[in-house]
Amino acid sequence: EVQLVQSEPEVKKPGESLRISCKGSGYSFTNYWITWVRQMPGKGLEWMGRVDPPDSSATYNPSFQGHVTMSADRSITTSYLQWSSLKASDTAIYYCAIVSGYNFDYWGQGTLVTVSS
Amino acid sequence: VLTQSPGTLSLSPGERATLSCRASQSVSNNYLAWYQHKPGQAPRLLIYGASSRATGIPDTFSGSGSGTDFTLTISRLEPEDFAVYYCHQYGSSPPYTFGQGTKLEIK
Repeated sequence: EVQLVQSEPEVKKPGESLRISCKGSGYSFTNYWITWVRQMPGKGLEWMGRVDPPDSSATYNPSFQGHVTMSADRSITTSYLQWSSLKASDTAIYYCAIVSGYNFDYWGQGTLVTVSS
Repeated sequence: VLTQSPGTLSLSPGERATLSCRASQSVSNNYLAWYQHKPGQAPRLLIYGASSRATGIPDTFSGSGSGTDFTLTISRLEPEDFAVYYCHQYGSSPPYTFGQGTKLEIK
């Protein structure tokens, strides 16, 4: 069974750093990009970018470039999304997903990140 | 940019729902998907490649369209179909985009 299991909810202060994770299992981790999607409170889905597990190379939505870093560690089949300095506007649910464009599409359960002073 | 209409659709169970998604430029290879999203759940793939149903999706859901205009049709609404629906383009090269969503609510 294909699963993407994300890390637990986080509560952070502005300016703090954070790394959330997404562990894949039940499939060949290096065969599919991991996509990250943001949903801000009461808003729609936003495509943040994707990371290629074989070499951890990432492609970013320009709206997120420079503010987040996506990576992947193939040895432990885990992808990461990280911030070096959080803002209150980063408060959102973050989903990791395999969005292949075909009939192979799986999502994590989402990680709620709350940034508040 | 993907523009979905209407923003909110109020219908009753048993009725037919027609959701629209318009792209600002042609979606290459009709790489257009539809997702259903309910609160507290992950989005669920309904349609990929504009018209192919994903595994386990009932045939009351159908997708059509090409180029810049796409439609998701739910032929007969069940109570569990009331949710937010997003179109998503994954064309030639990123960044990819989602539409802003259509909320399908019970009338």
